[in-house]
Amino acid sequence: EVQLVESGGGLVQPGGSLRLSCAASGFTFSSYWMSWVRQAPGKGLEWVANIKQDGSEKYYVDSVKGRFTISRDNAKNSLYLQMNSLRAEDTAVYYCARERVGYSSGLDYWGQGTLVTVSS
Amino acid sequence: DIQLTQSPSFLSASVGDRVTITCRASQGISSYLAWYQQKPGKAPKLLIYAASTLQSGVPSRFSGSGSGTEFTLTISSLQPEDFATYYCQQLNSYPFTFGGGTKVEIK
Repeated sequence: EVQLVESGGGLVQPGGSLRLSCAASGFTFSSYWMSWVRQAPGKGLEWVANIKQDGSEKYYVDSVKGRFTISRDNAKNSLYLQMNSLRAEDTAVYYCARERVGYSSGLDYWGQGTLVTVSS
Repeated sequence: DIQLTQSPSFLSASVGDRVTITCRASQGISSYLAWYQQKPGKAPKLLIYAASTLQSGVPSRFSGSGSGTEFTLTISSLQPEDFATYYCQQLNSYPFTFGGGTKVEIK
């Protein structure tokens, strides 16, 4: 059974940093692109970043470029999101998700999410 | 960035109704469109990918169509478990944007 379990969320002050982790199991992690998607309280979904199977390609939404870094450790079946210079508008539930095999064909498995709250 | 506009943003329907949700892209995205269902407090669930391909395990009452800039998600006969919020997502170019969502509520 495919499982994605996020951790690392919490309360952080504006300007602070946080590192999210996503532990993957039940599939060959190194064979898939992986994404982070967030959802602010009561709002819609926002795609944040993704990373290629070997980590050689990474893409970000403009609002997090230069502040967030996506990475992965295929030996540990883990995905990460390093978040620096956090702002109030980064407050959201952060989901990690697996991209379907096949070019640009959707996110077929999602974790349960981890809440990040940026507030003083 | 490619903008996705969903309509309506809210709809009220009864069990058994046929429901159609539209997603319009600000520029052509071929068939690189996915649809998701999200229930309160839960992660989204993939329903349709490549605009019209049903994800494994999704009931056949869900269907998708369209290409280019206009897409639709249709639920042929609304069931109680279908009351949720639906999102489209384009995967044609970065960033992979989502539509604003359509909340389907019980009439």
